[in-house]
Amino acid sequence: ETGVTQTPRHLVMGMTNKKSLKCEQHLGHNAMYWYKQSAKKPLELMFVYSLEERVENNSVPSRFSPECPNSSHLFLHLHTLQPEDSALYLCASSHRDTHNEQFFGPGTRLTVL
Amino acid sequence: KNEVEQSPQNLTAQEGEFITINCSYSVGISALHWLQQHPGGGIVSLFMLSSGKKKHGRLIATINIQEKHSSLHITASHPRDSAVYICAVRTQGAQKLVFGQGTRLTINP
Repeated sequence: ETGVTQTPRHLVMGMTNKKSLKCEQHLGHNAMYWYKQSAKKPLELMFVYSLEERVENNSVPSRFSPECPNSSHLFLHLHTLQPEDSALYLCASSHRDTHNEQFFGPGTRLTVL
Repeated sequence: KNEVEQSPQNLTAQEGEFITINCSYSVGISALHWLQQHPGGGIVSLFMLSSGKKKHGRLIATINIQEKHSSLHITASHPRDSAVYICAVRTQGAQKLVFGQGTRLTINP
């Protein structure tokens, strides 16, 4: 049990669908992250929220829209995705202190048809 | 070229063998992390270190800041150690991690 949960674990969607990924952390952390992991590529940081403010947005297409309503919850809203967006999407959380480790959720395996 | 390079990319060994995975980085860092990713996708943090050496059970991690290099060692390897091992560095002053491409380790019984 990592203390970081993600739902759903698997998602198949068409290019015209709208869906949301959810992440919840029970560790009292105040920073949360979305990562994308594609086959045979390093983890790519997508967004960072610190104290519920977005502090990093790594040139992610606008079809990915994050939301952080409070320090325990993070969403990734998806719309009009492309097949190349199929990947494992990982959420992580940490304390804002830059030396603290990140705790990862189990990920959502997304397939875009 | 990635700022964090791991070697080897794939490693297959027999149960009981001593395993070494290497990580080299090209940027100034405040900390280095070793992570383990199981086939289902979940990632677990193994070590976070900024100098010297840490040991946890059969796992040992070392870092040489001057040489910008870290190694992860597994003693008496076991099939349950089969996973992808990922090196990640926290660049100085940043809140984000930069990841290596991972090393896929397979331990055969």
